[in-house]
Amino acid sequence: EADIYQTPRYLVIGTGKKITLECSQTMGHDKMYWYQQDPGMELHLIHYSYGVNSTEKGDLSSESTVSRIRTEHFPLTLESARPSHTSQYLCASSEMSTAPGKLFFGSGTQLSVL
Amino acid sequence: GENVEQHPSTLSVQEGDSAVIKCTYSDSASNYFPWYKQELGKGPQLIIDIRSNVGEKKDQRIAVTLNKTAKHFSLHITETQPEDSAVYFCAAPGQPGANNLFFGTGTRLTVIP
Repeated sequence: EADIYQTPRYLVIGTGKKITLECSQTMGHDKMYWYQQDPGMELHLIHYSYGVNSTEKGDLSSESTVSRIRTEHFPLTLESARPSHTSQYLCASSEMSTAPGKLFFGSGTQLSVL
Repeated sequence: GENVEQHPSTLSVQEGDSAVIKCTYSDSASNYFPWYKQELGKGPQLIIDIRSNVGEKKDQRIAVTLNKTAKHFSLHITETQPEDSAVYFCAAPGQPGANNLFFGTGTRLTVIP
């Protein structure tokens, strides 16, 4: 069982609000990722991190930002939410020793922006 | 980057029958091919993976085959059960050592009791 947690599970918010999606893992993994999942199921990488103070943009352009101040914590922030940000956001982690290796996913946050 | 195509997008089988899902990839340097299962309300979970130095790998009712020449790999589930119903994703890394996995578009498998 993966020890990676995302909160909240569901979030409904109005346009223009600032939001932070939380992701924490207790496995000591160096690599962490944020994927955006379309209603049509496709998974797209939007951010990743190799470790503390490391953040990189993924293949899908996103207006969100991330930070990695602690190994176990990789929050994603939207400064001003818009309806186009409505999606499922999945956080994942993996060990640094294998590339790309096995990804452990959280249960996701379903974001709806009205 | 890597381009991963997955077929079919939906698949319905009778309980006990076999299910096969196929993926193709574009980057011949890709060397790692995992399959993930996503149940309703959960994140994807790795169920089996294969590296490019082998052509087939089995784990109980699940097997994955790889054809590097043709650049395609397949997931085979035998003796399907209702709990196999889920969305399945294939993936490939694009470049050896790459940190990103490019996922296929997913296959929604329904096992009919």
